[in-house]
Amino acid sequence: GESVGLHLPTLSVQEGDNSIINCAYSNSASDYFIWYKQESGKGPQFIIDIRSNMDKRQGQRVTVLLNKTVKHLSLQIAATQPGDSAVYFCAESSPSQAGTALIFGKGTTLSVSS
Amino acid sequence: DAGITQSPRHKVTETGTPVTLRCHQTENHRYMYWYRQDPGHGLRLIHYSYGVKDTDKGEVSDGYSVSRSKTEDFLLTLESATSSQTSVYFCAISESGTGNTEAFFGQGTRLTVV
Repeated sequence: GESVGLHLPTLSVQEGDNSIINCAYSNSASDYFIWYKQESGKGPQFIIDIRSNMDKRQGQRVTVLLNKTVKHLSLQIAATQPGDSAVYFCAESSPSQAGTALIFGKGTTLSVSS
Repeated sequence: DAGITQSPRHKVTETGTPVTLRCHQTENHRYMYWYRQDPGHGLRLIHYSYGVKDTDKGEVSDGYSVSRSKTEDFLLTLESATSSQTSVYFCAISESGTGNTEAFFGQGTRLTVV
């Protein structure tokens, strides 16, 4: 079936650097995308979302970019901090998915060293 | 955190026994979901509910059943637990379905079947 995947399972950066986490999705009908952050022992936490009628959306220190032509999603974290260390998941939803439930990628582990 | 409480947080059970996990929300959201999270698989949808007594299957529903008799409670039952159901289970809620709005997750239940 359709799935959402991430390009890299791990990413290591220095504190203060900008981080870019990538995600490729395969369902061209997907119209809503979310990035989640999951810290050890906790549930996923919403970071930012974007709809298919947009190609960029900014939040506090985070930016999500959507390229529908190549079905690619990215999360940019500015001035990465040690507290940003976590597993990051992209998720997609489309009208064809059961209950419009989210389909998750496998995650990228971000490690920030100070 | 959104008003989501999962119970129990940890459970060890024997193969063949029935197990029920509870998700309780105080947000009055219409949609509720059960996901399982396993290494290498990310989060996968088990069942979801779109209203009281309205439920449907997700991607990995075999061996699981759910019930929703009240808006605030969504129960997941493992009819006869197997070792393959050892996992971390997350409940999520969404106001208008995750095709439109984000889902908020509980803290998870770690289930071990021995």
